[in-house]
Amino acid sequence: SAVISQKPSRDICQRGTSLTIQCQVDSQVTMMFWYRQQPGQSLTLIATANQGSEATYESGFVIDKFPISRPNLTFSTLTVSNMSPEDSSIYLCSADRGDIQYFGAGTRLSVL
Amino acid sequence: KQEVTQIPAALSVPEGENLVLNCSFTDSAIYNLQWFRQDPGKGLTSLLLIQSSQREQTSGRLNASLDKSSGRSTLYIAASQPGDSATYLCAPSYQKVTFGTGTKLQVIP
Repeated sequence: SAVISQKPSRDICQRGTSLTIQCQVDSQVTMMFWYRQQPGQSLTLIATANQGSEATYESGFVIDKFPISRPNLTFSTLTVSNMSPEDSSIYLCSADRGDIQYFGAGTRLSVL
Repeated sequence: KQEVTQIPAALSVPEGENLVLNCSFTDSAIYNLQWFRQDPGKGLTSLLLIQSSQREQTSGRLNASLDKSSGRSTLYIAASQPGDSATYLCAPSYQKVTFGTGTKLQVIP
């Protein structure tokens, strides 16, 4: 199995500010993924992050709003920029090893 | 675009009962399918992975089946326990993972 550490676990932020979420995997992985889970909803993929290249964003998500860094094979960050109350969600990072996908515990974000 | 539906959306059963959670998906071209468990306010835990060439997988009291051609998977939980209370998510994968809407299970002591 893979251990994925994500922080912060939760935060309350003011409108217009930005928050950076960190994700650390206990071993090297090729791809890391960032998901959003809005209240009462299932998970939606934001982007896929490969080391050494720009992240690939899903429809409806843009780099200016959700910039992602992937400086090495065990670490990634997601920034939620210029936040509004609609960004209040749980954000989860994940990585796959073999065919199994492993998840961090998530970051619960509330925007006031 | 893959769409995944899980039925029922919520389920409440007495402890000890056997139960079945259903998952249907629209695109049968998948590599594999995972079942996850999510506890309130927490991340996801992988329960079972079924490869596209497999029909079922078992882990303890859990058994998952896959009928790729009809776009269906089921998760069978035997002798349910209060600790099984959680939301269960079905997630078929091709080039990316698509998550279902989830079934929220409550097992009553």
